Amino acid sequence: DAMVIQNPRYQVTQFGKPVTLSCSQTLNHNVMYWYQQKSSQAPKLLFHYYDKDFNNEADTPDNFQSRRPNTSFCFLDIRSPGLGDAAMYLCATSGSMNTEAFFGQGTRLTVV
Amino acid sequence: AQKVTQAQTEISVVEKEDVTLDCVYETRDTTYYLFWYKQPPSGELVFLIRRNSFDEQNEISGRYSWNFQKSTSSFNFTITASQVVDSAVYFCALSLSMDSNYQLIWGAGTKLIIKP
Repeated sequence: DAMVIQNPRYQVTQFGKPVTLSCSQTLNHNVMYWYQQKSSQAPKLLFHYYDKDFNNEADTPDNFQSRRPNTSFCFLDIRSPGLGDAAMYLCATSGSMNTEAFFGQGTRLTVV
Repeated sequence: AQKVTQAQTEISVVEKEDVTLDCVYETRDTTYYLFWYKQPPSGELVFLIRRNSFDEQNEISGRYSWNFQKSTSSFNFTITASQVVDSAVYFCALSLSMDSNYQLIWGAGTKLIIKP
């Protein structure tokens, strides 16, 4: 059974139209991450939560926001998607720092 | 500076051949963690192994084995008797115990193609 679930798997949005990606986990992990992965590149960390503590990477654009209403759910909001935001977005969880992360299947975002 | 280098961009072998994926890391920290992840065409990153810097024992899991050598700052991954299902992009990654942001430093990945 999937432990980290991302919805939707594929998302098409219009240029400039806000979009929300969702992630849920059944592992009860403290840490949740959002990564952006572009074609043929390694994942790039956007932000992470340790419980409710939010940590934003220095180079994450302001256009990206995140919410974690409870342990199980985490959302990625892209306020005004640009063409350059088209990518795979990966959610992951881990029990604590430096332990292995478990990834969802990702949401592939297309901006038209 | 911390860095992970996977010099092999793409490797192609015929099924049943053995193949080794190289990973070289750089860090001045004495405590760190190394990981390998597999990303099949479906997109999901699958955790394979985690190793801390104090454990240099090699690991074997079925057809997979890992060779950790601190002397050469390498953490290489070998697949024995490769199968078509092993085709994927494999990432090596490093995390530091003192990095409170839990940032994983990723290699660029090696695309492994196993031909039938």
